[in-house]
Amino acid sequence: EVQLVESGGGLVKPGGSLRLSCEVSGLTFSVAWMSWVRQAPGKGLEWVGRIKSKSDGGTTDYAAPVKGRFTISRDDSKNTLYLQMNSLATEDTAVYYCTTDGYCSGISCYSGVDWGQGTLVTVSS
Amino acid sequence: EVVLTQSPATLSLSPGERATLSCRASQSVSIYLAWFQQKPGQAPRLLIYDASNRATGIPPRFSGSGSGTDFTLTISSLEPEDFAVYYCQQRSNWFTFGGGTRVEIK
Repeated sequence: EVQLVESGGGLVKPGGSLRLSCEVSGLTFSVAWMSWVRQAPGKGLEWVGRIKSKSDGGTTDYAAPVKGRFTISRDDSKNTLYLQMNSLATEDTAVYYCTTDGYCSGISCYSGVDWGQGTLVTVSS
Repeated sequence: EVVLTQSPATLSLSPGERATLSCRASQSVSIYLAWFQQKPGQAPRLLIYDASNRATGIPPRFSGSGSGTDFTLTISSLEPEDFAVYYCQQRSNWFTFGGGTRVEIK
């Protein structure tokens, strides 16, 4: 069974930074493509970004609202995914979910095959 | 950016009834559309990918159809556990989600 456990959420002031972690088990993490998806309170889902496996280049892609402020990375030795968030703004307040990508065809996969329970990030003064 | 518009915003139905949810894309996404279910306080769950393929473990009462810009999720006979919010997602041009349809008990 695939399990994803996020941690690191909390309250941060505007302009501050936070790093989220996602520990993954139940799959071969090193070959997995992984994504972060967020959900503002009472709102819909928003894709944040993705990291490919190192064997597929290890490249990252980001949604426009977070590009240049957020960085996704991975430590395959620890089966852990990270989301470094800098220059946080109130509109970044959301539950952040770690997800696996899958059901791939061509050069792309779906984001959101397996999900963690989410971690809440609140940006407020 | 591909905009996904879901309708209706809310669907009020009784257990045993058929639910038909719509997702319309602002440009063609071919078949690269997925459907997710989210219950209160829980993470979303993937139901359908590539417009019509059920994900692992999804019961056959859930079915998807469509291609190009118009897609439908059908729940053939609503079970009590199916009352939730449903989102569509496209992966043809990066990733975007629709705004969701809430299926509530009438």
